Amino acid sequence: GQSLEQPSEVTAVEGAIVQINCTYQTSGFYGLSWYQQHDGGAPTFLSYNGLDGLEETGRFSSFLSRSDSYGYLLLQELQMKDSASYFCAVRDSGGYQKVTFGTGTKLQVIP
Amino acid sequence: NAGVTQTPKFRILKIGQSMTLQCAQDMNHNYMYWYRQDPGMGLKLIYYSVGAGITDKGEVPNGYNVSRSTTEDFPLRLELAAPSQTSVYFCASSLDRTYEQYFGPGTRLTVT
Repeated sequence: GQSLEQPSEVTAVEGAIVQINCTYQTSGFYGLSWYQQHDGGAPTFLSYNGLDGLEETGRFSSFLSRSDSYGYLLLQELQMKDSASYFCAVRDSGGYQKVTFGTGTKLQVIP
Repeated sequence: NAGVTQTPKFRILKIGQSMTLQCAQDMNHNYMYWYRQDPGMGLKLIYYSVGAGITDKGEVPNGYNVSRSTTEDFPLRLELAAPSQTSVYFCASSLDRTYEQYFGPGTRLTVT
């Protein structure tokens, strides 16, 4: 099976940088994804790491260390609109590569 | 493209009633998924499909059924609704064994 751990809540100041960590335990691993979900909305895809290292997409970056079963999402130049829940998700290495989501980190950006 | 659409947006069911949640996508995606999300929690996979005629159970399939007769549609059937099925249901699709899933707007279901 799969299990993922993320902090439940994080608060950060507008304009600052915040890092949201994700550790996972899986029976097979193919990649780590990150999704954003605003209150009342649907999840939207942010980034994916299949290999170790850093992936950058604008203000958002995501990092993966397969040997440590660990990844993080880095948000720079925080804006109020970044207040949302962020979910890490693991894709397993089974035949259909199902995705298992973490319980999410609620980010509050304050002025 | 409309993307992934879900109907209805909201529904209240009485215990023991049945209903079908509709999901459709117009992106010609092979993979489709049903998730439920309880308040303050992550998404739990109910069922998924890798193509027309092929479905499989996810993490929490009990009390639900699915069918996939076409590439576009992936309805979720609730039989004998129970209060434990009160949740927000999201349908998603992806092109293939890729990492990016596209989500519908969700159906908010209350069973009383």
